[in-house]
Amino acid sequence: KQEVTQIPAALSVPEGENLVLNCSFTDSAIYNLQWFRQDPGKGLTSLLLIQSSQREQTSGRLNASLDKSSGRSTLYIAASQPGDSATYLCAEGNEKLTFGTGTRLTIIP
Amino acid sequence: GAVVSQHPSWVICKSGTSVKIECRSLDFQATTMFWYRQFPKQSLMLMATSNEGSKATYEQGVEKDKFLINHASLTLSTLTVTSAHPEDSSFYICSARDLRTWDGYTFGSGTRLTVV
Repeated sequence: KQEVTQIPAALSVPEGENLVLNCSFTDSAIYNLQWFRQDPGKGLTSLLLIQSSQREQTSGRLNASLDKSSGRSTLYIAASQPGDSATYLCAEGNEKLTFGTGTRLTIIP
Repeated sequence: GAVVSQHPSWVICKSGTSVKIECRSLDFQATTMFWYRQFPKQSLMLMATSNEGSKATYEQGVEKDKFLINHASLTLSTLTVTSAHPEDSSFYICSARDLRTWDGYTFGSGTRLTVV
């Protein structure tokens, strides 16, 4: 059974800094790896999807990488802004998604 | 991109009553939708897979008689929490995937259910 872990659970970073969020999974035979952000009390917004055959995806200031052999994915956020403050979730799966516990990111102005 | 609409966004109900939550795919058809539950400060846990025109598939430990799922059309799935109890209070979110694209899953805005 796939298990997805995100460490740390919370992270505070001064505005303008670059940062990396980590996602680990136990079963390297993954389908897709998707990153989401969730604002308090809200639903999920999809950020990036990495298919199993891909190694990374980029969208604006966000870059997500995937290393199946080590069971890890990272989400890189460049030039962080206060609006980036949210909980970031990674999830693995083709249809049924297995979610990590999330990293609560706070960008300090 | 694909849009999934979920309604209501929040609901308060008395113990013993039933609550229906709707999940609609607005600009695409979804033969399959998924229902998740999220407890405070925890991650999302899949409850069930909603299949258009057939019975839903429930995850282990989820009571199918308590969480009724109906997927009567290609754009609408409903989750009914029957005889709700305070322990059912949670955040319920649905998702669907537009198979025309490879953009991954789109989630609704969620429903905060509070049972008093």
